[in-house]
Amino acid sequence: NAGVMQNPRHLVRRRGQEARLRCSPMKGHSHVYWYRQLPEEGLKFMVYLQKENIIDESGMPKERFSAEFPKEGPSILRIQQVVRGDSAAYFCASSPRGHLNTGELFFGEGSRLTVL
Amino acid sequence: DQQVKQNSPSLSVQEGRISILNCDYTNSMFDYFLWYKKYPAEGPTFLISISSIKDKNEDGRFTVFLNKSAKHLSLHIVPSQPGDSAVYFCAASEGGGADGLTFGKGTHLIIQP
Repeated sequence: NAGVMQNPRHLVRRRGQEARLRCSPMKGHSHVYWYRQLPEEGLKFMVYLQKENIIDESGMPKERFSAEFPKEGPSILRIQQVVRGDSAAYFCASSPRGHLNTGELFFGEGSRLTVL
Repeated sequence: DQQVKQNSPSLSVQEGRISILNCDYTNSMFDYFLWYKKYPAEGPTFLISISSIKDKNEDGRFTVFLNKSAKHLSLHIVPSQPGDSAVYFCAASEGGGADGLTFGKGTHLIIQP
């Protein structure tokens, strides 16, 4: 019974390149969340998705960032034209239910993005 | 503007003693609170939660207390064990769901032998 799987675990990009981070939720979970942790900071909510729908993207930067959770396949967080400030750990979490559940999220191990 | 604050970046406690981690919040709409534990290079794992209709929730060595009037919650770990050394994040949500949990910056708990 695999947990939340994120890949790559580590990603190095040069400024201006694109970064794609993938997340496969736990089996049976249809709700996916992306969080970002900057150095010395807590986890900041970015986006909440269900299959083929973005439910809440209030934490996403307005430009260069996008997320999707297609009908088939993993959820993808895409960062275009990366800048040094995008260097962070990006955590994906899933839950079997969204609103009105217990609030418990199951987190992946994170993808650490380093922008040179 | 931090809506969930953990004012102690780190806390050192002797093995066997009680660890008390504190968390304050400013958003009166928060009605569900959670604690997550995180080891280095791993994702956070859920530890314990409490709804705003309660003031205490206990699970083994872990107890969470909620003081709504003070907008304050605390996590008690007793007795503290070496494996408890980790970063502890306080989180809060509105509406009882997992939508957009707001996390504090975390407290690094160090259990000394």
